[in-house]
Amino acid sequence: DQQVKQNSPSLSVQEGRISILNCDYTNSMFDYFLWYKKYPAEGPTFLISISSIKDKNEDGRFTVFLNKSAKHLSLHIVPSQPGDSAVYFCAASAAGGTSYGKLTFGQGTILTVHP
Amino acid sequence: KAGVTQTPRYLIKTRGQQVTLSCSPISGHRSVSWYQQTPGQGLQFLFEYFSETQRNKGNFPGRFSGRQFSNSRSEMNVSTLELGDSALYLCASSYVGVGTEAFFGQGTRLTVV
Repeated sequence: DQQVKQNSPSLSVQEGRISILNCDYTNSMFDYFLWYKKYPAEGPTFLISISSIKDKNEDGRFTVFLNKSAKHLSLHIVPSQPGDSAVYFCAASAAGGTSYGKLTFGQGTILTVHP
Repeated sequence: KAGVTQTPRYLIKTRGQQVTLSCSPISGHRSVSWYQQTPGQGLQFLFEYFSETQRNKGNFPGRFSGRQFSNSRSEMNVSTLELGDSALYLCASSYVGVGTEAFFGQGTRLTVV
């Protein structure tokens, strides 16, 4: 039972354009969401997060949108740069109890930004 | 501010052996979580420690264990290694382990032959 899904295995965009990465979740107990960027054989790098009490959070070129009713979040990167090429993971966590320290990850989306 | 440090970066072990991996969290972070990443299963949660106590555990066999020390450093141990244990092992640290940002180390690449 995959509770966090990234339905697009890959995305290709031109440098300077917008990259939109999508993520859907099924567990209504999730209340905190994170996006990570990852290169092969390295640990994920934290990009941005959002709490369920918000619907948008911005940090520089990165903006995350959360639609709780649709159980959907998206990461927008504007403008996209070749250095953004990597695998992007969304992750979710639930409050307390048996969820301590546990992030549930999607399968990842490979982003390629062409010069 | 130093990031999360994992040692060693690479390990090659033989089936049946045991292995210990180490993770030093960001200063001030008290929660350390461990994950296994494989091509087929993605990133899977192993367990979480907070103030030297295991608070949460994923669906892994008892061969996988861990501990946390008073300085928040954590170790993970895998006994009786199997070929299927070959993976990238990642640890993540955060302040309290829930509802906050979590930062990952570079990982330990374990190969079992």
